[in-house]
Amino acid sequence: NAGVTQTPKFRVLKTGQSMTLLCAQDMNHEYMYWYRQDPGMGLRLIHYSVGEGTTAKGEVPDGYNVSRLKKQNFLLGLESAAPSQTSVYFCASSQRPSDLTGANVLTFGAGSRLTVL
Amino acid sequence: AQKVTQAQTEISVVEKEDVTLDCVYETRDTTYYLFWYKQPPSGELVFLIRRNSFDEQNEISGRYSWNFQKSTSSFNFTITASQVVDSAVYFCALSENSGYSTLTFGKGTMLLVSP
Repeated sequence: NAGVTQTPKFRVLKTGQSMTLLCAQDMNHEYMYWYRQDPGMGLRLIHYSVGEGTTAKGEVPDGYNVSRLKKQNFLLGLESAAPSQTSVYFCASSQRPSDLTGANVLTFGAGSRLTVL
Repeated sequence: AQKVTQAQTEISVVEKEDVTLDCVYETRDTTYYLFWYKQPPSGELVFLIRRNSFDEQNEISGRYSWNFQKSTSSFNFTITASQVVDSAVYFCALSENSGYSTLTFGKGTMLLVSP
């Protein structure tokens, strides 16, 4: 049972290059999220998706794009990487909240460390 | 807007000491959920507890306990008889009922437990 898998785990980019981070979950979760973690800043929400084909902006969406073409995958793209995007990126997924359960627990991937030179 | 404040950036204790990690939150919702996650040096995020705003009972799980007080908007986490394996960054987080389970995290408290 893999849970949430992120690829790649490490990547070094030059300013201006593009790349895509892939998140895959095998728990049939409806909701998926991308967060970034920076020293002293905690985790901040970049984008999220509440279902296949839907995406929404989080707290820090600028410079990123996302796509959710399949329920199990959530892609995070950087079109033109900047040094300010050097960070650890975490993907997470959760079941749809219900009136009974309310907000559900997020299951996180292991993280992807991105360095932009 | 929701906000989570963890005022303690870093705490150092000696093994077997008790330690309390503070968490203060702000929200306009009457229904919300509070979480604690642990991030050990390996980097993964491990879920510890979820509490909804209607349940103010304290919870104990082994050496871990949580004190939720709506009157002070706090959700503090206590580790009793700390161990070296407790060394990690601990995050408090808040999810509003209207927020699609999106979490707002505090900046985290790094706990260092020395032998």
